[in-house]
Amino acid sequence: DMKVTQMPRYLIKRMGENVLLECGQDMSHETMYWYRQDPGLGLQLIYISYDVDSNSEGDIPKGYRVSRKKREHFSLILDSAKTNQTSVYFCASSPDWAYEQYFGPGTRLTVL
Amino acid sequence: GDQVEQSPSALSLHEGTGSALRCNFTTTMRAVQWFQQNSRGSLINLFYLASGTKENGRLKSTFNSKESYSTLHIRDAQLEDSGTYFCAAPRSNAKLTFGKGTKLSVKS
Repeated sequence: DMKVTQMPRYLIKRMGENVLLECGQDMSHETMYWYRQDPGLGLQLIYISYDVDSNSEGDIPKGYRVSRKKREHFSLILDSAKTNQTSVYFCASSPDWAYEQYFGPGTRLTVL
Repeated sequence: GDQVEQSPSALSLHEGTGSALRCNFTTTMRAVQWFQQNSRGSLINLFYLASGTKENGRLKSTFNSKESYSTLHIRDAQLEDSGTYFCAAPRSNAKLTFGKGTKLSVKS
């Protein structure tokens, strides 16, 4: 069964703390994505990874960085989290950037 | 401006009835993907179409790339169909442009 997993599912952090969100996929997909979803703004793309160590900024990369050292794992890092980074974060993967994307269940991050 | 426009923004159906959701594109799109976001917040893949029509159970989707639109038809709506339906289209730079969604409420 094709699957994208995200850990943790819920996270509460204080402003200034570091945050690590993890994403995994078992489909050997080349391309992976990080999005955030906020009410009224829909889904916004943070970063794309085309393969291991081949990452590209999305529409809202400021305040985030990513790491992809293995094809099946893609991490989103917030160094010194801010309250406006409170959101639901989704990871997705696709066999190629031109094809169907598969989404993980999301991580609800609250920054106090 | 927005490249993907969804309508209606909200829709209420009684169980057993049906309707169509629409997605209009302001530029030529290569494909369309439809998702349902359920009450738990999960994004469920419904369809991916590069052309033509696909059907899955009570759902059917068409994509007309020439006329720049896609539709999602729901028939015999059930309570579990409630949620927000998004269409999205891939841009040439590998980014997926999402519509703002249609919030569907199915009532008994």
